[in-house]
Amino acid sequence: AQSVTQPDIHITVSEGASLELRCNYSYGATPYLFWYVQSPGQGLQLLLKYFSGDTLVQGIKGFEAEFKRSQSSFNLRKPSVHWSDAAEYFCAVAAYSNYQLIWGAGTKLIIKP
Amino acid sequence: SQTIHQWPATLVQPVGSPLSLECTVEGTSNPNLYWYRQAAGRGLQLLFYSVGIGQISSEVPQNLSASRPQDRQFILSSKKLLLSDSGFYLCAWSYNTANTEAFFGQGTRLTVV
Repeated sequence: AQSVTQPDIHITVSEGASLELRCNYSYGATPYLFWYVQSPGQGLQLLLKYFSGDTLVQGIKGFEAEFKRSQSSFNLRKPSVHWSDAAEYFCAVAAYSNYQLIWGAGTKLIIKP
Repeated sequence: SQTIHQWPATLVQPVGSPLSLECTVEGTSNPNLYWYRQAAGRGLQLLFYSVGIGQISSEVPQNLSASRPQDRQFILSSKKLLLSDSGFYLCAWSYNTANTEAFFGQGTRLTVV
């Protein structure tokens, strides 16, 4: 069965520091992968997605993610975080068979001033 | 462009009272529609999804039901709320095709007292 693992429940980084959020998936075929961000009390916003092609994908708000098939990973990165990046981040994979998204548990990003 | 409207934003209801949350999508036809719930500090739980009018799939047995009376309208209901129904409810839509991202409403914070 498909699954998504985000091993870090919380991550704290200083403003201006680089960020990497981890996401590992289990899927039998070529995955379709997504990263979403959720600010407190808000809905989820799509940051970026990977369907095929270049394994390094660029998203909104300065985020990027790299698909590594050998490691079954799709980690999210940002070279320099801003206080406004404090939010919860969700990784998801599309379940081809039934049009649903399989979600990770989320990683809460805390920014230190 | 497509938009999704979800209301109300917040709701406080007594135990045993009914519930009706509404979600509408504009700017697209025949979308897939979803209801998710987030309990405090937890990830996304898919409650219901619909691939067409009158077609509802339930992911978990519970005190809730969903209906899709029109192509772009999705309603989440309960006849009698339980304390455990408290949470953050999110409506989402996607194109009616495989491996596509979901687009979320702003959510409803439901507190059952």
